Parts: sequence; structure tokens; C-alpha cells
Amino acid sequence: EMQLVESGGGLVQPGRSLRLSCAASGFTFDNYAMHWVRRRPGRGLEWVSSISWNSGRIDYADSVKGRFTISRDNAKDSLFLQMNSLRAEDTAFYYCAKDPAADISYFEHWGQGTPVTVSS
Amino acid sequence: QLLLTQSPSASASLGASVRLTCTLSSGHSSYAIAWHQQQPEKGPRYLMKVNSDGSYSRGFGIPDRLSGSGSGTERHLTISSLQSEDEADYYCQTWDTDIRVFGGGTKVTVL
Repeated sequence: EMQLVESGGGLVQPGRSLRLSCAASGFTFDNYAMHWVRRRPGRGLEWVSSISWNSGRIDYADSVKGRFTISRDNAKDSLFLQMNSLRAEDTAFYYCAKDPAADISYFEHWGQGTPVTVSS
Repeated sequence: QLLLTQSPSASASLGASVRLTCTLSSGHSSYAIAWHQQQPEKGPRYLMKVNSDGSYSRGFGIPDRLSGSGSGTERHLTISSLQSEDEADYYCQTWDTDIRVFGGGTKVTVL
């Protein structure tokens, strides 16, 4: 059974950093692109970042460009999101999602999410 | 600019059908979209992909009372035999070279 399990969320002060992880199982991780998506309180789903199977292609939403860094470790079936210079508006549930293909397209399988609260 | 537009809300009675619409921005009628469901307090769930010709493919385990269709810049999700567990937010999503885009979501209420 395909599983994506996010971790690393929590309460952090504005300007500080946080690193999210996503542990994948039940499929051949290095065959697929992966994504991070968030849902802020009272808002809809918002794409954050994507990475192709071999990290050769990486994209970011304008709202996080220059502050967030996506990466993956195919040997450990893991996806990461390094979040720096956090702002109150980054408060959200963060979800890891799997693409149906090696290159980047859409979200075929989702994790349950990890909450991030940015507040002093 | 690649955009998706959804009505904020829809409702129908238990056992009835509801059709949700996602409209692509002008000039993007060749784009496929994906539909996702998010129930309260849960992670999102992929439902199906709808292609520009109206063909669709459901995700694993998605019941056949959910179907897709579309033409032009419109893509639809139809839920038949509405059940209480269908009460959720529904999002369409598409993609281009360096961007993934969500519609604003439609909240479905089962009466």
C-alpha cells in the first residue's frame, strides 16, 4: 500500500527555520516526481514546490521562492522541505504528494499532512 | 496566465447527483486537469484526471459513481447517488512547465 508520512511540523517564531520530511513507502520512490502542497487556515489548497525524480527539475511557487528549498534522498525514500525566513502567512498544513510520472505533472497520492504554525 | 475557476459552493440531496465545474482560463482548452477531494480534518485525496477530449481516468479505489467529462475550457466532476461522506471540498488542479495551479475549491453540502 502506498504511504506518504509527513513529519517535522510545529510552532516556530517568525524569521526562524523548519525542515519538513516525507517518508514514502509502498512504491518505487525514485521513479516519481514529488510535491509539497499547503492549506492555510480558511484558504484552499496551494501548490508550494515540485521536484522531478532525479532532482533535475525543481519548481517553486512565487510565495516561497528564495526562502524554501525542496530536496529528496532516493536512497532513503524521503522528500524534504527546508523552510527559512518563515512568516506568519506560512502557517498551514503541509502535504507531501506523489506524481504519477517521473516528470512533474499532478498529484496522484497524498499524505495526511503536518501542521506548521509561525507565531511569536 | 493559467488559471482555474470554480464555484465556491454546491449542494444536493442525499441520493441525488451534483455536477461540479472547473473552468480553465482562455487559451488553455488543451489542458488536462485533476480533481481532488478534501474531507474535513483529512488529507486530500486524488479522484481522477480529466483530459481535454472529455475522457477521464479514476484514481485507485474511486467508485464509479464519480465520473468526469468536459469540453472547451470546462472540466466537470459528477457525483451520483450522493452519500454523506461526499460532503467535502473539491479542487481542480492543472499544470504547466514550471507551475501547478489549483482552483479555489467548491464546498459540497449534502442536504
